[in-house]
Amino acid sequence: AQKVTQAQTEISVVEKEDVTLDCVYETRDTTYYLFWYKQPPSGELVFLIRRNSFDEQNEISGRYSWNFQKSTSSFNFTITASQVVDSAVYFCALSESLTGANSKLTFGKGITLSVRP
Amino acid sequence: DAGVTQSPTHLIKTRGQQVTLRCSPKSGHDTVSWYQQALGQGPQFIFQYYEEEERQRGNFPDRFSGHQFPNYSSELNVNALWLGDSALYLCASSPRWGSSYEQYFGPGTRLTVT
Repeated sequence: AQKVTQAQTEISVVEKEDVTLDCVYETRDTTYYLFWYKQPPSGELVFLIRRNSFDEQNEISGRYSWNFQKSTSSFNFTITASQVVDSAVYFCALSESLTGANSKLTFGKGITLSVRP
Repeated sequence: DAGVTQSPTHLIKTRGQQVTLRCSPKSGHDTVSWYQQALGQGPQFIFQYYEEEERQRGNFPDRFSGHQFPNYSSELNVNALWLGDSALYLCASSPRWGSSYEQYFGPGTRLTVT
């Protein structure tokens, strides 16, 4: 069975600080996909990044970067120079490879990020 | 380009009643998934539709059923509502079932069962 654990529940930072959100996953699949989604107070989940299991190269996209390590089953997400607009709930999610990345997503419980001015 | 749309935005029902929620996928998307998100929790997968057939199902009772129409829009039906069905119901769409594309979510329908 698949499982996603987000041990952090709430994080509060001051604007311009860097913040890292942790995610640990469990799966028996050898091929899988990992995602980060953001949920602002409006409720709509916003897609941020995707990574597949056979590509461990870490990347930076604007203020976002991620660290994928299969050896520790972790997929951590970093926001550099945080802004007040980054305040939201962040979800890590996992999908199996059976039907591709758009098969069912297994979500963690989410991390509430508050960025103070 | 319109994103995923859902209706209604909010809904209040009484225990035992039935409810229908609606979803229109993003333009160009043919696969629709439904998720239930209880307060303070991550979304839970209900089921997924492609070519008007249910392709995958999560751990939800038969009271939860769905439908997909030829224009790819979808409905989620819940019968015999329980208090525990109160949640945010999210619809997600993606292109080309079985591909590696991510899912895009709508704003959700907030269902309250009293």
